[in-house]
Amino acid sequence: QSALTQEASVSGTVGQKVTLSCTGNRDNVGSYAVGWFQQFSHGAPKTVMMGDSLPSGIPDRFSGSKSGTTASLTISGLQPEDEADYYCSTWDYSLAVQVFGGGTKLTVL
Amino acid sequence: EVQLVESGGGLVQPGRSLRLSCAASGFGFNDYSMTWVRQVPGKGLEWVGVIRSNIFIGTTEYAASVKGRFTISRADSIGIVYLHMSNLKTEDTAVYYCVRGGGDGYRLDSWGQGTLVTVSP
Repeated sequence: QSALTQEASVSGTVGQKVTLSCTGNRDNVGSYAVGWFQQFSHGAPKTVMMGDSLPSGIPDRFSGSKSGTTASLTISGLQPEDEADYYCSTWDYSLAVQVFGGGTKLTVL
Repeated sequence: EVQLVESGGGLVQPGRSLRLSCAASGFGFNDYSMTWVRQVPGKGLEWVGVIRSNIFIGTTEYAASVKGRFTISRADSIGIVYLHMSNLKTEDTAVYYCVRGGGDGYRLDSWGQGTLVTVSP
């Protein structure tokens, strides 16, 4: 069982706004910036958001936010190429380990 | 451009050892912490461990599943981070990714392409 909880699957249509969530506790999400990683099948993960900062080259339809112990990745204007698995991760200071969510499979209908 | 290239994966028998390397280029290697993350094919991402930059005294942390068996080291002069794996188990079979981390290491921002380690009799 993963330390961070993500939806197993989320779907949306082209152009729609979708939000993926990542829920932890005060020792991890509540205390540290959360990273979001996109992974296509048979490929390496790629960082699409770190906290609320957009890495270079990532489309600005991606945005990140956090409220308490839940972080969110929002994709505004969903595109077919956004279909992928998305993972969240951050540090847990009580466990002294990096924790990951189980991943969300995003399907673009 | 940040580049991370892993090597050293392959087929190894249980109980044996293996060393993975990750060659970094395109950034000031000394200033960044480096993390190893693994993924069993078809499963999620699992953190293996981190070696911090000298700014953070080069400390290491490991996942409970590998502590005492895996060791991370770095050669700052040549921009390489290593993952020394010993007493390998079948459950260590996975793709191993090298990841650059900002801050004290947890801000993972750049990933390598991964190298597959298969532990099988």
